Amino acid sequence: NAGVMQNPRHLVRRRGQEARLRCSPMKGHSHVYWYRQLPEEGLKFMVYLQKENIIDESGMPKERFSAEFPKEGPSILRIQQVVRGDSAAYFCASSPGGIETQYFGPGTRLLVL
Amino acid sequence: TQLLEQSPQFLSIQEGENLTVYCNSSSVFSSLQWYRQEPGEGPVLLVTVVTGGEVKKLKRLTFQFGDARKDSSLHITAAQPGDTGLYLCAGDGTGGFKTIFGAGTRLFVKA
Repeated sequence: NAGVMQNPRHLVRRRGQEARLRCSPMKGHSHVYWYRQLPEEGLKFMVYLQKENIIDESGMPKERFSAEFPKEGPSILRIQQVVRGDSAAYFCASSPGGIETQYFGPGTRLLVL
Repeated sequence: TQLLEQSPQFLSIQEGENLTVYCNSSSVFSSLQWYRQEPGEGPVLLVTVVTGGEVKKLKRLTFQFGDARKDSSLHITAAQPGDTGLYLCAGDGTGGFKTIFGAGTRLFVKA
């Protein structure tokens, strides 16, 4: 059973470009969570999605950031018009149900030049 | 605002020593999780504690959840270089839909 997969592992963008981060949850998991981690810090919750629904997006900036988890395919975290402050590691996690058991992917490291 | 404070922030010890790291909050959590994260990787779940006063053991690691469910500790016996990593505690946020993470304790075990 493959674990949570994220791609790309590393992404370099120039200011103003768009970044698309993908997350494929573990087989059978319908709950996906996105987190952002800055160097030397813990993870900050961004958004929680179930299939086709956003359940809680209270940690996600209102502008430039969006997330989706379509019926088919991976979950996507999209950052429009990236700025240098968006540089961070972005992790997704999946679970079969409750938030107590989350399995994390290896992360996508975004660098904005 | 719910916060989890971890201490110490950084710990460097010799192989074979014992250590304890702490996770404290002024808020009550229905459960707390401990994760270990290695450089370049995502966090890996070590344990979930649910009941106040609960103690769980995982080989040389002992986890305790405070009676009031506001704090937790992780004790490592006879640390080994393979224990090196970032140890994160996490708890369920208000509403039960999101997880709050502490900033972590970075442990370095020297051979």
